Amino acid sequence: GQNIDQPTEMTATEGAIVQINCTYQTSGFNGLFWYQQHAGEAPTFLSYNVLDGLEEKGRFSSFLSRSKGYSYLLLKELQMKDSASYLCAVLDSNYQLIWGAGTKLIIKP
Amino acid sequence: IAGITQAPTSQILAAGRRMTLRCTQDMRHNAMYWYRQDLGLGLRLIHYSNTAGTTGKGEVPDGYSVSRANTDDFPLTLASAVPSQTSVYFCASSPSGGSTDTQYFGPGTRLTVL
Repeated sequence: GQNIDQPTEMTATEGAIVQINCTYQTSGFNGLFWYQQHAGEAPTFLSYNVLDGLEEKGRFSSFLSRSKGYSYLLLKELQMKDSASYLCAVLDSNYQLIWGAGTKLIIKP
Repeated sequence: IAGITQAPTSQILAAGRRMTLRCTQDMRHNAMYWYRQDLGLGLRLIHYSNTAGTTGKGEVPDGYSVSRANTDDFPLTLASAVPSQTSVYFCASSPSGGSTDTQYFGPGTRLTVL
């Protein structure tokens, strides 16, 4: 079967750095997405990785290792507005997104 | 403002009733999707459409139907609602289906079936 695993919840301090991990087992791989979802709102796109390595976009970076079936999202200089759920999703061989349950990130002052 | 709209925002429905959730996008995207989001689970694909006039089944299609008469609209119908269909429903679109294009989401419809 297809499976995406992420921690359910993480807590971090304002101004710090946090790394949210995602491991996956899917039938085929056409890339991995990270989305941000604030409570009661729609998911919004953060990043897409299809090649191994680190992609940096401002305070957010995303890393992919295809051989390990592993990705992480790195958030730097955390702000209170970063409190949200972070969703990992893999595009499988049929180009359908398989979603993890999401990681709820709580930022404390 | 360009994007995706969904209606209604929320709805409480008696079991056995028929309900249509509306979704409209003005980005001229070819592909559209319906997901449901339940606590503790990832988003699950209900139905999708890669282009106007075509539809396909996702992971959890039973009890739901869709149509795609034109590019902009993609309604989701529950023919006879059951309590297990209580969920938050998100419509999404992307420039093309069967590709690596990013999906953009509407604000969601919170549906409660009693």
